[in-house]
Amino acid sequence: EAGVAQSPRYKIIEKRQSVAFWCNPISGHATLYWYQQILGQGPKLLIQFQNNGVVDDSQLPKDRFSAERLKGVDSTLKIQPAKLEDSAVYLCASLDRTSGGIYNEQFFGPGTRLTVL
Amino acid sequence: AQTVTQSQPEMSVQEAETVTLSCTYDTSESNYYLFWYKQPPSRQMILVIRQEAYKQQNATENRFSVNFQKAAKSFSLKISDSQLGDTAMYFCAFMPRGGADGLTFGKGTHLIIQP
Repeated sequence: EAGVAQSPRYKIIEKRQSVAFWCNPISGHATLYWYQQILGQGPKLLIQFQNNGVVDDSQLPKDRFSAERLKGVDSTLKIQPAKLEDSAVYLCASLDRTSGGIYNEQFFGPGTRLTVL
Repeated sequence: AQTVTQSQPEMSVQEAETVTLSCTYDTSESNYYLFWYKQPPSRQMILVIRQEAYKQQNATENRFSVNFQKAAKSFSLKISDSQLGDTAMYFCAFMPRGGADGLTFGKGTHLIIQP
């Protein structure tokens, strides 16, 4: 079974530029999460999708961050305009609820490392 | 909202020794899951072990076991016969049961296994 795919792996931009990250979850996983991991910290949830609907975006800085999952599969996270403090690793994870939530394991992608100069 | 605290920023032990990583959490939820994740330098998050809060029995996975104290809100990870490949960041994480179930992570413990 293929894992969670993310691209790009690395991105360097100037502050005030825009950037987008892409995530393809494990096939059949209806729930998708985006996390932000700043260096030296644990990941922080930004947004959770169930199919193409938003379940939780309470920690998403909506003035500059946006995310979508239009067809309930792939997802894109965008930052516009970027700030220095957005430098972080952005992790995508997916979860399969069809098992009845028995395992509740979130599978993580390799992440995208963003550097804002 | 819940919080997860890992009070050991870094630990170092010799290969083959046993090491225990600490984690405490705070929540008003009664039904939830707890996890330990390993993150090597490759950044890939790998699930080490999970615990369902409603289960009194501590989870074990080969060399990894937990000491889950629900009343004390404590969830420590014990690694027996430590190996060089265990060197990584270890994160304790909380997940409520229900719709909004994003993980809440601690700040992590950097575990170094010395040869």
